[in-house]
Amino acid sequence: TQLLEQSPQFLSIQEGENLTVYCNSSSVFSSLQWYRQEPGEGPVLLVTVVTGGEVKKLKRLTFQFGDARKDSSLHITAAQPGDTGLYLCAVILTGGGNKLTFGTGTQLKVEL
Amino acid sequence: DAGITQSPRHKVTETGTPVTLRCHQTENHRYMYWYRQDPGHGLRLIHYSYGVKDTDKGEVSDGYSVSRSKTEDFLLTLESATSSQTSVYFCAISELSTSGEQYFGPGTRLTVT
Repeated sequence: TQLLEQSPQFLSIQEGENLTVYCNSSSVFSSLQWYRQEPGEGPVLLVTVVTGGEVKKLKRLTFQFGDARKDSSLHITAAQPGDTGLYLCAVILTGGGNKLTFGTGTQLKVEL
Repeated sequence: DAGITQSPRHKVTETGTPVTLRCHQTENHRYMYWYRQDPGHGLRLIHYSYGVKDTDKGEVSDGYSVSRSKTEDFLLTLESATSSQTSVYFCAISELSTSGEQYFGPGTRLTVT
């Protein structure tokens, strides 16, 4: 079973539209990370949220950590083709070593 | 961008042959990781290292071994490659922190025929 469930799996929208993607779990986490991966490249860290209810903004991207620290959302305002990519959430596993487990991701395509 | 390189970037090999992938970092980070990425499975941890000569298994370690003889290099070896090991392999680095951010290399696409 997947510890982190991401939805939707795929999303295809037009430039200028708004969208929200979700990362859900039944477990509680001390922090949660969001990464974006472009084709042919490795994931790149976008943000880390650490406090229940925390909201962080990165230009047109708004990240929220759920109050209970079990889930998170990523909202993109006025999507652009440059936002196209695979969005991954990740959390630290117990047991030390900074080991991460990832969700399976949301593949976003923004078309002109 | 974190200084992480992977070599080779692409490799095609035959079933049963040994394969070694290299990850090199210039950031002097303590932790290094190998992941594989497959459709429908996302990124899965193969092995990781928490220092020179200190390594441990991840979620999908069967068929893989690793070595870290220097801080900057982390090698992943497929002793006898199988078609199920066809994948994209990513190396990542991290420094000790409460939030555990990782920085990824560009990946190696491995095809086992």
